[in-house]
Amino acid sequence: KQEVTQIPAALSVPEGENLVLNCSFTDSAIYNLQWFRQDPGKGLTSLLLIQSSQREQTSGRLNASLDKSSGRSTLYIAASQPGDSATYLCAASMNYGGSQGNLIFGKGTKLSVKP
Amino acid sequence: KAGVTQTPRYLIKTRGQQVTLSCSPISGHRSVSWYQQTPGQGLQFLFEYFSETQRNKGNFPGRFSGRQFSNSRSEMNVSTLELGDSALYLCASSFYADTQYFGPGTRLTVL
Repeated sequence: KQEVTQIPAALSVPEGENLVLNCSFTDSAIYNLQWFRQDPGKGLTSLLLIQSSQREQTSGRLNASLDKSSGRSTLYIAASQPGDSATYLCAASMNYGGSQGNLIFGKGTKLSVKP
Repeated sequence: KAGVTQTPRYLIKTRGQQVTLSCSPISGHRSVSWYQQTPGQGLQFLFEYFSETQRNKGNFPGRFSGRQFSNSRSEMNVSTLELGDSALYLCASSFYADTQYFGPGTRLTVL
């Protein structure tokens, strides 16, 4: 059974700092891995998706990496801004009988960027 | 292109009642998945529909059910509501097996 863990649960950094959020998973047979952000009381916003055959994906100040052998993914945020404050969630998609729509989520890292 | 929409946004029900939530996916998306989010358990998968067929189901009791229509819109139903069903219910759509796009959610409160 796939389990996804995110450490730390909360992180506070000063504006401008580069930071790394960690995600680990127990079953390396993932179909893809996605990173989301969630603002309080809102839905999820997709940030990056990494297919199982890929090592990393980049979008603006965000870079996500995937190492299936070690069961780890990281989300790197460059030059953090107060607007980056949110909860960041990683989710693994497995291939169950042809269905890949079952995302298994970590509990998230709550990021606070102080001005 | 319009995003995923969910209605209603907020609901208050009492124990024993039933509730139906609706989700309209992004145009052209055929897969709709539902999730329950609570402070204690986080985000948990409920079920996935693709072309009107349930492809996968999470570990929830039979009181939770869903369906998908020919236009890909989906509904989920919870019967005999319990206090523990209070949660944010999120649906997500995708074209096939790629990025899932989430709606704003329906906040269900059971009194």
